[in-house]
Amino acid sequence: AQSVTQLDSHVSVSEGTPVLLRCNYSSSYSPSLFWYVQHPNKGLQLLLKYTSAATLVKGINGFEAEFKKSETSFHLTKPSAHMSDAAEYFCVVTGSYGNKLVFGAGTILRVKS
Amino acid sequence: NAGVMQNPRHLVRRRGQEARLRCSPVKGHSHVYWYRQLPEEGLKFMVYLQKENIIDESGMPKERFSAEFPKEGPSILRIQQVVRGDSAAYFCASSPPRVMLNEQFFGPGTRLTVL
Repeated sequence: AQSVTQLDSHVSVSEGTPVLLRCNYSSSYSPSLFWYVQHPNKGLQLLLKYTSAATLVKGINGFEAEFKKSETSFHLTKPSAHMSDAAEYFCVVTGSYGNKLVFGAGTILRVKS
Repeated sequence: NAGVMQNPRHLVRRRGQEARLRCSPVKGHSHVYWYRQLPEEGLKFMVYLQKENIIDESGMPKERFSAEFPKEGPSILRIQQVVRGDSAAYFCASSPPRVMLNEQFFGPGTRLTVL
């Protein structure tokens, strides 16, 4: 079965410093991987997706993620954090039949001024 | 160009009542998914529907929960005889007929509170 582990439940950074949100996945086949962001009391917005093309994926708002098969990782990064990045981030992998999504537990990003 | 719409956004029910959550997918999308987010947790898959068919309900509790996606109208998630443990945010997502890249578009969610 597919699964996702987000290694940090909370990450705190200062504005203008780099962001790293870590994600490891388990899948019995080549997965599709996503990062979604959820602002308080809002729905989910897709940040970026990996679907077996380029291993370095660029998303919206300056975020990017690198798919590393050897490490089964898909970490999310951003060079410089902005206050508006404060939110909860979910790493997601497709399920066995490619339709249902399997979510990690989420990482809450706090950005300090 | 409306996205996925869910209503109501907030729903309060007393124990034993019924809750009906509605989801209108993106226009042209024929696949609908329901997920539940319990407090402090990630989203958990509940059910996957296409028009008039349940494709995968492996994440749905066996009792009190049902879902439908009729030929006309929104998808409905129905919870009978609600209990406090049903309090959660329920998200609907949709995808187009040809499921390109597995991308699902999420609605804003319905936050159910059971008193």
